[in-house]
Amino acid sequence: DQQVKQNSPSLSVQEGRISILNCDYTNSMFDYFLWYKKYPAEGPTFLISISSIKDKNEDGRFTVFLNKSAKHLSLHIVPSQPGDSAVYFCAASFGTASKLTFGTGTRLQVTL
Amino acid sequence: DGGITQSPKYLFRKEGQNVTLSCEQNLNHDAMYWYRQDPGQGLRLIYYSQIVNDFQKGDIAEGYSVSREKKESFPLTVTSAQKNPTAFYLCASRSNTEAFFGQGTRLTVV
Repeated sequence: DQQVKQNSPSLSVQEGRISILNCDYTNSMFDYFLWYKKYPAEGPTFLISISSIKDKNEDGRFTVFLNKSAKHLSLHIVPSQPGDSAVYFCAASFGTASKLTFGTGTRLQVTL
Repeated sequence: DGGITQSPKYLFRKEGQNVTLSCEQNLNHDAMYWYRQDPGQGLRLIYYSQIVNDFQKGDIAEGYSVSREKKESFPLTVTSAQKNPTAFYLCASRSNTEAFFGQGTRLTVV
C-alpha cells in the first residue's frame, strides 16, 4: 500500500527551463512534506519542506506547492541546471518529528 | 562538525551470515531510522527509534534487528533470515524538521 506516490519515474528538461516534479499521497493525516535530492550511492540531501498550514514555500530556485484537497504536491525548479540532475524523492510525515514515508522517486535529467 | 556516519560504505557477506551495519550521529537527535533502497524503488522503512531504549518495526522489518542503547547509535543487523539482503541501506536521524541521512552502506551477499 503505497501511501506516497511519484507516478513519473523520469523527467527530462532543458537547461534554463522549469522542472516540475509531482507527488501524490493518500493519507490525509500527513501534515508535513519534504523533498530530497539523491545522487547514486549517496544519502539523500534535504531540499525544501512544507507544512500543511501553507500552500507554498520558496527557497531560491526551489518552490514547493501543496494542494491539500487533491492530496498533491509539486516541486518546481527554476531555472533548471545540469547539476540538478539526480533522483528526487518526496516524503510525508505526521508532524515534524515522526517517521518519513517516501515516494518511489523521479529521475530528473537536465540537458544542455 | 555535526553529522551522521554510516560504516562501512561497502560490505560483502556470505549467505547464511549475520552482519551489522553501523550508524552514529552527533546531532543530538532523538529519532533515528533505517531505510533500504532497491533499484527502481523508493526508500522503505525497516526500523525506527523515537527515543533511547525503544524502537518500532517499519514496513519491512522481517529478517532485521536493531538496538538503541545510546542516543548516538542505532546499529542494524541483517540476519540470515532476510531473503534478499543485497541493497543500499540508509540511516537517518531527525529532530523537529528535516531528517538527515548518512552516506549509506551497500551490502552485497556473495
